[in-house]
Amino acid sequence: NAGVTQTPKFQVLKTGQSMTLQCAQDMNHEYMSWYRQDPGMGLRLIHYSVGAGITDQGEVPNGYNVSRSTTEDFPLRLLSAAPSQTSVYFCASSSRLGSSIFGTFGSGTRLTVV
Amino acid sequence: AQTVTQSQPEMSVQEAETVTLSCTYDTSESDYYLFWYKQPPSRQMILVIRQEAYKQQNATENRFSVNFQKAAKSFSLKISDSQLGDAAMYFCAYRSNFGNEKLTFGTGTRLTIIP
Repeated sequence: NAGVTQTPKFQVLKTGQSMTLQCAQDMNHEYMSWYRQDPGMGLRLIHYSVGAGITDQGEVPNGYNVSRSTTEDFPLRLLSAAPSQTSVYFCASSSRLGSSIFGTFGSGTRLTVV
Repeated sequence: AQTVTQSQPEMSVQEAETVTLSCTYDTSESDYYLFWYKQPPSRQMILVIRQEAYKQQNATENRFSVNFQKAAKSFSLKISDSQLGDAAMYFCAYRSNFGNEKLTFGTGTRLTIIP
């Protein structure tokens, strides 16, 4: 099925560990982005990409890295996990063309840092 | 920078009744989109309805409609004939029609449906 695929769905990390959250889309969307959702704060933008090879910071980028080597993939890396990074993470993609301009979200990753 | 405010952390409504969720936003732009997303317990973000700022007519999708007041920067969601499946978190979001695809979200309203 076409859409945005995020893996894993759940993850528990120890403080200081690193990991990569995977995001892939098969809709040829040029825009991809990562959000985090915390209780009482809605979703906040971490990083985004407007195309392969181009990334930029969002509202809360500290502690996270991204890269966009292909149109399909946009992984989010936690360099040294901290308890403050406990959150639900969403990947989204969209396009300025056709009916995709309003975006598609993945199903989310619940990350707990202990 | 744009901001989105949802002043109702929680709302409840009797099944089959009508409920209105409030959203206000702040922007200096004239061309933008506004959205309502539904997030059920499954965590999936589902687009409910969208409004383009330059369209004066309020958007409608079946039982869902909006009251878009551009001058007042208000964008409320009305749910008619509420159903048990409407129970969820509802997020209001803003997106500029210029630049990147960044969505700015409100803090959400948790809607409970009373049978």
